[in-house]
Amino acid sequence: QAQLVQSGAEVKKPGASVKVSCKATGYTFSTYGLSWVRQAPGQGLEWMGWVSGSNGDTNYAQKFQGRVNMTRDTSTTTAYLELRSLTSDDTAVYYCARNDYGDSDWFDPWGQGTLVIVSS
Amino acid sequence: DIQLTQSPSSLSASVGDRVTITCRPSQSITTYLNWYQQKPGKAPKLLVFDASSLQSGVPSRFSGSGSGTDFTLTISSLQPEDFATYYCQQSFSSPRTFGQGTKVEIK
Repeated sequence: QAQLVQSGAEVKKPGASVKVSCKATGYTFSTYGLSWVRQAPGQGLEWMGWVSGSNGDTNYAQKFQGRVNMTRDTSTTTAYLELRSLTSDDTAVYYCARNDYGDSDWFDPWGQGTLVIVSS
Repeated sequence: DIQLTQSPSSLSASVGDRVTITCRPSQSITTYLNWYQQKPGKAPKLLVFDASSLQSGVPSRFSGSGSGTDFTLTISSLQPEDFATYYCQQSFSSPRTFGQGTKVEIK
């Protein structure tokens, strides 16, 4: 079955960048897009954007435009999230999730999450 | 952006209770509404998609209904493993947005 496995926790200083990976297995990678969703400590879920598995097209939430980059490598069936100019507000668990489709779309499955801590 | 308002924000219930969670979008989203369950320290899990379609493997005590601006997730008989936080999410337009969550606790 489809599975997403993410890279390990990161600690970054303010102003730095972080790159999180998401390895997909158990399905045809190019058929589905992948979204990134984050969750700050004790808070709700926030969608950051989406990358197409087939052609690499992206759609970012306006809040992150200019400092986010979502890419994918079809040869390794891995998606990447890069977030630049980190501040303490970016401390969160970052999830990748496959976009599945019917009449609309939904997120299933999800990766296990990657904790990113931004601290001086 | 479409805002999703869940109610209640939290509730206390007993095993065997019927539980209903409501999600109201700021505009009509037809049936493009999904529900997720999240347990502490774990990733969210899809329960219901397209407002009323139960994801494979999800127990039949979970059900979703609604359209437009009024949606409901119902747990017909609460089980110990159902104590968690539940989120609705719209896929009508970008950016995709989530409700603030409803925490279901043990009474």
